[in-house]
Amino acid sequence: AQSVTQPDIHITVSEGASLELRCNYSYGATPYLFWYVQSPGQGLQLLLKYFSGDTLVQGIKGFEAEFKRSQSSFNLRKPSVHWSDAAEYFCAVGPRSNDYKLSFGAGTTVTVRA
Amino acid sequence: NAGVMQNPRHLVRRRGQEARLRCSPMKGHSHVYWYRQLPEEGLKFMVYLQKENIIDESGMPKERFSAEFPKEGPSILRIQQVVRGDSAAYFCASSPPDGGSTTDTQYFGPGTRLTVL
Repeated sequence: AQSVTQPDIHITVSEGASLELRCNYSYGATPYLFWYVQSPGQGLQLLLKYFSGDTLVQGIKGFEAEFKRSQSSFNLRKPSVHWSDAAEYFCAVGPRSNDYKLSFGAGTTVTVRA
Repeated sequence: NAGVMQNPRHLVRRRGQEARLRCSPMKGHSHVYWYRQLPEEGLKFMVYLQKENIIDESGMPKERFSAEFPKEGPSILRIQQVVRGDSAAYFCASSPPDGGSTTDTQYFGPGTRLTVL
């Protein structure tokens, strides 16, 4: 069964500082990997996704993520955070053909201080 | 190009009442998924539907919950005789018909936040 672990429940970062959110997955094969962001009271917005190819993926809003097969990780990074990046971030795995369920981590809440 | 639409955004029901949540997928999308987000938790898969067919309802509670995606109109998630434990955010996602990597990206609506009093 596939599963996703986000070890950090809450991260506080200063505006302008760098941000890295961790994501580890368990899956029988190379999965499809996603990062979504959820602002308070809002739905989920897709930040980026990895299907295959280059293991460094660029997304929207200046985010990037790196797939590391050997570590079963897909960590999200941003070089310089903005106050508007305060939100909850979810890592998800799947779906591939005939495996359409997205499995989500529990999320990491990011607080940005001035 | 409208995204996934869900209504209502907020729904309050008393215990024992019925809740009906609606989801209109993105234009051109024929696959609909429902997820539930309990407080302080990530999203959990409930059901996957295509037009007029339930493909996988393995995440649906066995009783009181049902879903449909008719030929015409939105997908409906129906919860009968709601209980306090049903209070959660319910998200709908949609994806295009089969045919390439875009199939595998699910686009989410804003969610319906159900509160059971």
